[in-house]
Amino acid sequence: EAQVTQNPRYLITVTGKKLTVTCSQNMNHEYMSWYRQDPGLGLRQIYYSMNVEVTDKGDVPEGYKVSRKEKRNFPLILESPSPNQTSLYFCASSTEARAQGTGELFFGEGSRLTVL
Amino acid sequence: AQSVTQLDSHVSVSEGTPVLLRCNYSSSYSPSLFWYVQHPNKGLQLLLKYTSAATLVKGINGFEAEFKKSETSFHLTKPSAHMSDAAEYFCVVSVGTGGFKTIFGAGTRLFVKA
Repeated sequence: EAQVTQNPRYLITVTGKKLTVTCSQNMNHEYMSWYRQDPGLGLRQIYYSMNVEVTDKGDVPEGYKVSRKEKRNFPLILESPSPNQTSLYFCASSTEARAQGTGELFFGEGSRLTVL
Repeated sequence: AQSVTQLDSHVSVSEGTPVLLRCNYSSSYSPSLFWYVQHPNKGLQLLLKYTSAATLVKGINGFEAEFKKSETSFHLTKPSAHMSDAAEYFCVVSVGTGGFKTIFGAGTRLFVKA
């Protein structure tokens, strides 16, 4: 089954404790992206990757890191989480058509992060 | 600059009545436009997309949307609401040139009353 898998789905942590949210897709998609969803703001893009070893900042990259060493994986790293990073996070992938802006995004089920 | 405005944060309809979720966009380039649906505790799922072909786009579950360039709108409609349509809906604009700017609207939560 074609899917995007995120882990963990739920996490409560404390300020400053490094954490990683993993994302894996099995559709051989080149494009992957991370978003955060906050009430009343829709989804905002954190980072995206057009291909292996190619990453770029989205609209809200501060406090986050990513890496794309393999095509299927795109982990999101919070080096020193803070309470304002409490949010619902989504990973998504898409075909090369994303480069033309026409590709459908396939989303994971989300990771709810709480930073105390 | 690109932007998306969903004109209603909440819409409430009765089962069997029409649904209208409104979306206006702003884009310097020819946009691709999408509607996604999010059911509780789930990821987003594509309902339909417009990518410069037919202006009336049909999607899944009986939804459709019409691209109106003169009005810069992409409203989502359904003739008859079903209880299972209750969810949050997002209008999304994607700019094709250079290709990867994606902007989500703030979302419209649809309530369906029995």
